[in-house]
Amino acid sequence: EDKVVQSPLSLVVHEGDTVTLNCSYEVTNFRSLLWYKQEKKAPTFLFMLTSSGIEKKSGRLSSILDKKELFSILNITATQTGDSAIYLCAVIGFQKLVFGTGTRLLVSP
Amino acid sequence: GAGVSQSPSNKVTEKGKDVELRCDPISGHTALYWYRQRLGQGLEFLIYFQGNSAPDKSGLPSDRFSAERTGESVSTLTIQRTQQEDSAVYLCASSRGTSAIYEQYFGPGTRLTVT
Repeated sequence: EDKVVQSPLSLVVHEGDTVTLNCSYEVTNFRSLLWYKQEKKAPTFLFMLTSSGIEKKSGRLSSILDKKELFSILNITATQTGDSAIYLCAVIGFQKLVFGTGTRLLVSP
Repeated sequence: GAGVSQSPSNKVTEKGKDVELRCDPISGHTALYWYRQRLGQGLEFLIYFQGNSAPDKSGLPSDRFSAERTGESVSTLTIQRTQQEDSAVYLCASSRGTSAIYEQYFGPGTRLTVT
């Protein structure tokens, strides 16, 4: 059975901290791994990772994929209160996305 | 252009009633997906449509759930005889095709509460 596991389930940090969110997966016919940010209802796309070892970066966010160990991390540096959200990891299998349960991040001022 | 829209944004219904949720995908997107997200849980795939092909219904949790799509436009998700465990946010997404599954655009969702 395909599965995506994220950790931690929730995290509380202070503004300015750096956080690392984890995503491990077991998905047949792996194609890509995606990270989303969900603040209210609809998730917004952050990164798509297809190749191992190539860091994707956008501002204070970065992510990398390890296809040998079947995991990815999402880093957020110098966190801000606006980073508070649920971060979802999803893996593309055969024409379907398998989502993890998400990591709920709360950044306190 | 306009994004994916869903209606209603919130729906409160009594246990046992039927509900219909609507999704308008982005124009030109041939693939449409429905997901469910229960409180504190991840997104659960329900069903997807690709063009005029038969939909993949493998994620529908029970025969009380059904979905239709007219061509490559509007889709409705129907839940019959609602139960309290159906309470969740129902998200719809669309993409240019299932080969572009990584470029799904999500609607704002419908929050369903079954009392």
